[in-house]
This record gives sequence, C-alpha cells and structure tokens, in this order.
Amino acid sequence: GNSVTQMEGPVTLSEEAFLTINCTYTATGYPSLFWYVQYPGEGLQLLLKATKADDKGSNKGFEATYRKETTSFHLEKGSVQVSDSAVYFCALRGYNQGGKLIFGQGTELSVKP
Amino acid sequence: DTEVTQTPKHLVMGMTNKKSLKCEQHMGHRAMYWYKQKAKKPPELMFVYSYEKLSINESVPSRFSPECPNSSLLNLHLHALQPEDSALYLCASSQGVVDTQYFGPGTRLTVL
Repeated sequence: GNSVTQMEGPVTLSEEAFLTINCTYTATGYPSLFWYVQYPGEGLQLLLKATKADDKGSNKGFEATYRKETTSFHLEKGSVQVSDSAVYFCALRGYNQGGKLIFGQGTELSVKP
Repeated sequence: DTEVTQTPKHLVMGMTNKKSLKCEQHMGHRAMYWYKQKAKKPPELMFVYSYEKLSINESVPSRFSPECPNSSLLNLHLHALQPEDSALYLCASSQGVVDTQYFGPGTRLTVL
C-alpha cells in the first residue's frame, strides 16, 4: 500500500540556518504530494504541493521538488526564522483512493534566536 | 478564501454524554472529511463525504456518527465515548476528492 516516510525529529536550528526535512514515499501510479504545517494548538495549513513528477512547489520561502526517480519530496528553506517553529507533515494522495491522505509521522522543528 | 470553521474549539464530556462537533465551509467544496489526531501523531482519516454522501468510513466505531446535512456543513455526533477517544478532531474540505484539502483549526476533545 501507499506510505510516507519522513525524517524524524525534533530538529533544532539556529535562526537563518538552512533547513532540509526529508520525505520519501511508496505509491503505485502517480500520487500528488503535499507539505502541511501545524503550529502549536492549531490545525494543519497547506504549505505547498506538487501533482506530477519534476513539479516544484513553493510558498513562504519553502520549496520541495517531486522526484519520481528517487520517490522523494524533500522540504527546504534557505533561512529559517523563529516563526517557522512548528510540526511539518509530508503527505500523499494516491490515485483513485477516494481522497484519502497518507501522512508521514511529522517532523517537529524548533528554531532558536 | 480557504477557511474551514469548526465549533466548539474545546469540548469536555463524560462517557455517558452525547455531543456533536460541527464543521462549516463556504468555498463551494463538495468533499468533506473528518480526521482524528492524537498528540505527537499525524492525522488519521475517519470519514469522507463526497456530494453529501458517505464515501469512506475507515472502520470507525459506531460511537462516532457523521452527518452531512448539506454541502456546507459536516457534523460528527459523539455518544458513549471512551477516554482513549480524547484527541484533536480535524475537519477538512476540498473541491472534489481529487483536489487539495484545506483543514479547519480542530476541536480538542477530552473524554472523562
């Protein structure tokens, strides 16, 4: 079945450091891929998405490229801020799965001033 | 506007109580979802409604009863819950089941 494996946290960085959170997936066909962010005490917010191979999603300085050859969708940001502290979830929606999202385990990011 | 609203924000209930969670969206989305999220874990899908009809039930116990009275509204009726049902309950919606899902802020449920 479909699955998502995400880099374990917590990840602690200093402000302005470079961020990479690894995400790999297993799926048949051509899934759509997403990154969601969850700030403390809140629901999930869509951060970015990609729906086909080689697509790059980007938002608020975050980027991720859909790599079919490596089945990966790693999240990157060049310079993190304290306000980026949150839990990040990689997710996929498989083909013909009725809308079901499969989430990775989540990566907690803490950015220190 | 990609807003999904959920009420109440917090709910405390006893194991013999009956309560309901409410979710609303006014984006014209035709698919709506309930997820359950335990602390430090990812959300787990419970139910999917598509065009006001239940299309997915992820083997959820019958003490959780979903309802979709119209295309903008989704309810989750709760009865005889257990303490292990305490969690954050998230609602989401999307244009259709093949489209991007947008989440509400959640209802934090505590069962005593």
